[in-house]
Amino acid sequence: DVVMTQSPDSLAVSLGEGATINCKSSQNVLYNSNNKNYLAWYQQKVGQPPKLLIYWASTRESGVPDRFSGSGSGTDFTLTISNLQAEDVAVYYCQQYYSSPLTFGGGTKVEIK
Amino acid sequence: QLQLQESGPGLVKPSETLSLTCTVTGGSLTSITHYWGWIRQPPGRGLEWIGSIYYSGSTFYNPSLKSRVTISVDTSKSQFSLKMSSVTAADTAVYYCARHLGSYYFHMDVWGKGTTVTVSS
Repeated sequence: DVVMTQSPDSLAVSLGEGATINCKSSQNVLYNSNNKNYLAWYQQKVGQPPKLLIYWASTRESGVPDRFSGSGSGTDFTLTISNLQAEDVAVYYCQQYYSSPLTFGGGTKVEIK
Repeated sequence: QLQLQESGPGLVKPSETLSLTCTVTGGSLTSITHYWGWIRQPPGRGLEWIGSIYYSGSTFYNPSLKSRVTISVDTSKSQFSLKMSSVTAADTAVYYCARHLGSYYFHMDVWGKGTTVTVSS
């Protein structure tokens, strides 16, 4: 299985500041034939299902604010939240879909400082 | 607008079979560009993919659960279902159904609200 390791486990950020969440996969998730990274990011607020934010490592899902951005390739990925808003308080998960079984990171909890 | 809704018993006894159904509305379960999946989340923990299915009936399972899981589809009812046998307390979780975006079981863009299943006698 591809193990997804997120860091940090949690972070507290002041409103208007930026947050950076890291995700490392135990195996390469870049498919060379199409040059796509099979990596997604989700946001999960308390009591809600996960919401897709980013796929193919850097493609923002429709309707997602542009303060959310994804970067990285191969085994190392980053979700960046700029200008943090109160509604961004949530747990964020990365997920690989390069190989079965699909696997998720352990999650990073973002709070307001 | 596509919506998914999980349904099924909220309480299952140990050693019995958990059965859940996901009803798809506002869109087609027979879309050739989507797979459909089940994901679960134990209380206070992370997400675990259980398995996914194509409208044709092709299935893909997490090897860690494969021996106990069956996912099926009923296109006439616009539903797909999950059965998990021999459940234990470790199967207590919120169970989500979701749509995979793209031509394989890739990322998931539409999720149901989830249903809580507790395994207890």
